[in-house]
Amino acid sequence: KNEVEQSPQNLTAQEGEFITINCSYSVGISALHWLQQHPGGGIVSLFMLSSGKKKHGRLIATINIQEKHSSRHITASHPRDSAVYICAVRLAGSQGNLIFGKGTKLSVKP
Amino acid sequence: SAVISQKPSRDICQRGTSLTIQCQVDSQVTMMFWYRQQPGQSLTLIATANQGSEATYESGFVIDKFPISRPNLTFSTLTVSNMSPEDSSIYLCSVGGGRETQYFGPGTRLLVL
Repeated sequence: KNEVEQSPQNLTAQEGEFITINCSYSVGISALHWLQQHPGGGIVSLFMLSSGKKKHGRLIATINIQEKHSSRHITASHPRDSAVYICAVRLAGSQGNLIFGKGTKLSVKP
Repeated sequence: SAVISQKPSRDICQRGTSLTIQCQVDSQVTMMFWYRQQPGQSLTLIATANQGSEATYESGFVIDKFPISRPNLTFSTLTVSNMSPEDSSIYLCSVGGGRETQYFGPGTRLLVL
């Protein structure tokens, strides 16, 4: 079993829809990252969470430390949101290594 | 924030040859990380490179296959040696750690024939 599990693996949505991607992990963590990877391969960090909830415009991320679960939402999705979204966790007590989920491929249709 | 550049952005190589990937950061950083992303897979850490010391390799990765240099606080190289088709991947360098945001380079897309 992977230490970081994401669902769904693939997601297709219509423009304007509310989208949720989930991440569950089985290890103790100090932080959780939501990353965005575009087709060229480059990765951008969207959120870093250690508790609670963060909101950047249309993007919302929440984490429940007790349940070892995080969700990432997009309100009013847009075709430019199409990308692979990756959940990654940093182990508690670790200064470096991230453990990555396999990613959720999102496609938003106009 | 940190801006990271990588060279080359992509390459096609013959098996048995070696390729050196460069990673440049626009600020001084203590730890730099090299990741590999094989097709359809999640990212896997190859090694952590600290300036002034030898790189620390993860299980399954060895220095002879992936030698790393870290000559200063803004630059690192990863060499993929004696390549085989199984080395075809995206290679990414990254900085950040602890409670800091993680930054990634644009990646080097490698195809080995």
